[in-house]
Amino acid sequence: SQTIHQWPATLVQPVGSPLSLECTVEGTSNPNLYWYRQAAGRGLQLLFYSVGIGQISSEVPQNLSASRPQDRQFILSSKKLLLSDSGFYLCAWIEPGRHHGQYFGPGTRLTVT
Amino acid sequence: DAKTTQPPSMDCAEGRAANLPCNHSTISGNEYVYWYRQIHSQGPQYIIHGLKNNETNEMASLIITEDRKSSTLILPHATLRDTAVYYCIVSFYSGGGADGLTFGKGTHLIIQP
Repeated sequence: SQTIHQWPATLVQPVGSPLSLECTVEGTSNPNLYWYRQAAGRGLQLLFYSVGIGQISSEVPQNLSASRPQDRQFILSSKKLLLSDSGFYLCAWIEPGRHHGQYFGPGTRLTVT
Repeated sequence: DAKTTQPPSMDCAEGRAANLPCNHSTISGNEYVYWYRQIHSQGPQYIIHGLKNNETNEMASLIITEDRKSSTLILPHATLRDTAVYYCIVSFYSGGGADGLTFGKGTHLIIQP
């Protein structure tokens, strides 16, 4: 069966520090992968998506970046965090060609202080 | 911006059917209606999707009006564990490309004991 992992579960980082969040999917191959952010009191916002290794598309220009070094690994990074980067970060995947909803991970709660 | 309109909150008694409405008057002919829910501090969970016909699965039923401008998610026998924010989303499905979702604020469904 397929599972999706995210770590860390929670993170507190000072303004200006770097960030690296990791997402891995098991039990499938060549998934489409997505990063979303949910700021306090707001809906989910799509940040990045990837349809293959090394292929990243950005939905919202900002100080975040994403990478996909392996088929089932998706990383969200920042060189210098801003206070506005605080939020709940969610990774999701879907199997291309199979029409089903996206499967979301447990999320990482980031607080920038 | 989200292309759907949902009531911000609803109450339902435990054991009764919960009917969650969604307006999507600008939906295009090949856009699907998806429903997700998010229990507090967890990642969203896919519930059901449909195009034109009514759909039913083990979790819920989806009723789409003939003009496709609105839909209703039905939880037939609500339990306390169904308390969550429910999101109605309209989106294209490409089958292999980037089908990122745009989440609005959803409906906070509270199941009362």
